[in-house]
This record gives sequence, structure tokens and C-alpha cells, in this order.
Amino acid sequence: NAGVTQTPKFQVLKTGQSMTLQCAQDMNHEYMSWYRQDPGMGLRLIHYSVGAGITDQGEVPNGYNVSRSTTEDFPLRLLSAAPSQTSVYFCASSYSPVQETQYFGPGTRLLVL
Amino acid sequence: AQSVTQLDSHVSVSEGTPVLLRCNYSSSYSPSLFWYVQHPNKGLQLLLKYTSAATLVKGINGFEAEFKKSETSFHLTKPSAHMSDAAEYFCVVSDTPTGRRALTFGSGTRLQVQP
Repeated sequence: NAGVTQTPKFQVLKTGQSMTLQCAQDMNHEYMSWYRQDPGMGLRLIHYSVGAGITDQGEVPNGYNVSRSTTEDFPLRLLSAAPSQTSVYFCASSYSPVQETQYFGPGTRLLVL
Repeated sequence: AQSVTQLDSHVSVSEGTPVLLRCNYSSSYSPSLFWYVQHPNKGLQLLLKYTSAATLVKGINGFEAEFKKSETSFHLTKPSAHMSDAAEYFCVVSDTPTGRRALTFGSGTRLQVQP
């Protein structure tokens, strides 16, 4: 099992550019989520999905889009990058939404200039 | 609404001495509580979780935490710190049912272990 994988590991964008952060899991987990981590703020939920075809907004969804066409993949799209989106992004998955252990990917470090 | 407060942003201990990382939570329902650890430039790993079974929860690497409902606390302890324990620790709360089905993270406590 590869667990939760994220690509790329590091990315530099210019303001206004778009990009997609990839997340995949091979554990057949229904629940997947995206968090951003900023210094002194812990992790904040961006979007989550409870199964293929079902997504919902988290705490800080503005500027991000998601889709879930398969159980395995949950990409995060930045439509028009802004410096405020400079952060470390983590994808997580689990069997059920909240009471089960979340398995985290290694993270994507994004710098927006 | 749920929230979690980690009372110390930094904790420094000497190797071989006890570790105490403090966490208070607020929840409208019976919460599930977790501690996660993040080593530098790594993802998060579960240390332990409480889901309404025994109030004293044992985790990996010698860590344990006690759920105290009367004090709304879930402090993380370890009898003897090791250099490899140096990392950032996150207390996490989840109460269901909620509309959002999500976890709420504390702001983190950075543990430094001095030789």
C-alpha cells in the first residue's frame, strides 16, 4: 500500500496562475479531505468528500475547487493563485468522516509570488 | 460548535524528563479526541485517540492522554522524553452529529527536547 500520495511536493506559482494539487489513496477510503497548514494556525479544512461524486466546503473554501470522480482521487484546484494561498497543503483520507483515524499525505508546499 | 485550545505553543524539556502537552476542548456533543504528531517536513501521524471508551488512552511511542470531561481537557503525557520526540503536536476534536463532518485542529505545540 502506498497510502496517501500527493504531487507535487513543492510548487512555485505566479499570482493569477492556476494549478491542480493531486491526491490519491489506495485504501478504498470513502472520506477524503484537504487542509492547509499555516504557522500558528494548525490545520484548516478547505474541502472534503464523503464519497465519489459528493463534495462539500470546509472552513476556508474560497479560491479552491474540488471534484471526486473516483474513490481513489481527490484533486484540489487553485483557479487564480494569490499570495494568501502560500501554504502547506495536506490531503487526508479515512474510512468514515470523523471518528476514525485520518491518514495524511506528505504535503505539498506551495509558494505564490 | 467545537473548538480546541492548546495552551502552550512551545514546550522545552530535557531528555529523560516527563512531557506534558496541554489541550482543552469545547464540544456540544460527546467528542472524539485525537493527538497527532508532525515531524519536520512530514505529514501527520496519529498518536492516540479517545472515542468514549476508557478515559485513559495509551498511544504509540509511550504517549498517553486522559480524557477529563469535568475539566474539558485531554492532556498528552509521556514519562520520559526522547530526542526523537521533538516534533509538533496537534490536539484535534470532533463531535458528531455535525453538519460539517470535520475535525477541528488546535494551533499546535512544538516540543523541543534538550540533550
